Amino acid sequence: DAGVIQSPRHEVTEMGQEVTLRCKPISGHNSLFWYRQTMMRGLELLIYFNNNVPIDDSGMPEDRFSAKMPNASFSTLKIQPSEPRDSAVYFCASSFQGISNQPQHFGDGTRLSIL
Amino acid sequence: SQQGEEDPQALSIQEGENATMNCSYKTSINNLQWYRQNSGRGLVHLILIRSNEREKHSGRLRVTLDTSKKSSSLLITASRAADTASYFCATDSGSARQLTFGSGTQLTVLP
Repeated sequence: DAGVIQSPRHEVTEMGQEVTLRCKPISGHNSLFWYRQTMMRGLELLIYFNNNVPIDDSGMPEDRFSAKMPNASFSTLKIQPSEPRDSAVYFCASSFQGISNQPQHFGDGTRLSIL
Repeated sequence: SQQGEEDPQALSIQEGENATMNCSYKTSINNLQWYRQNSGRGLVHLILIRSNEREKHSGRLRVTLDTSKKSSSLLITASRAADTASYFCATDSGSARQLTFGSGTQLTVLP
């Protein structure tokens, strides 16, 4: 069974450019999470979806960040315009949330460098 | 702010020794989970312990939970070089249906 798939694995771009990160969750999972990991701040939850609906986006740092989940098998995280301080590893995770929280399954991340 | 804080931040041991990592948290929880992260990879779930459980085992892993002290520990017995990774605790505090991750312990197992 395929795990969570993220693309691209690496992205290097100049500041001001639009960046789009993609995620395919595990089939059958109903919750999807976007995280950002840096040395300084650790692992931060940016936004999560339940049944394709954004539930909590309080972790999204600025209006430059947006996320969508048009269907159960695809989500995007977009940064426009990008800035050097957005450089980090971005993870997508999915899980099945029922009565209780189940473990999250992580992709291998997108390492983003903004020059 | 992060709910869980791991201790120590870094741990270096010889192969075959046991490794113990601790996690403290601040608010009441439904469950606590431990994850491992190898360099350049995503987090991998290891074990989940519910708030009404005190101890749980999975292979060479042993997790304890003390809700009165708001703390948990992860013990890896007979460590191997392949156990070298960062280990994170994550708390599920209920209706938010999201996890809050600690800052992690970097474990190095020397061959």
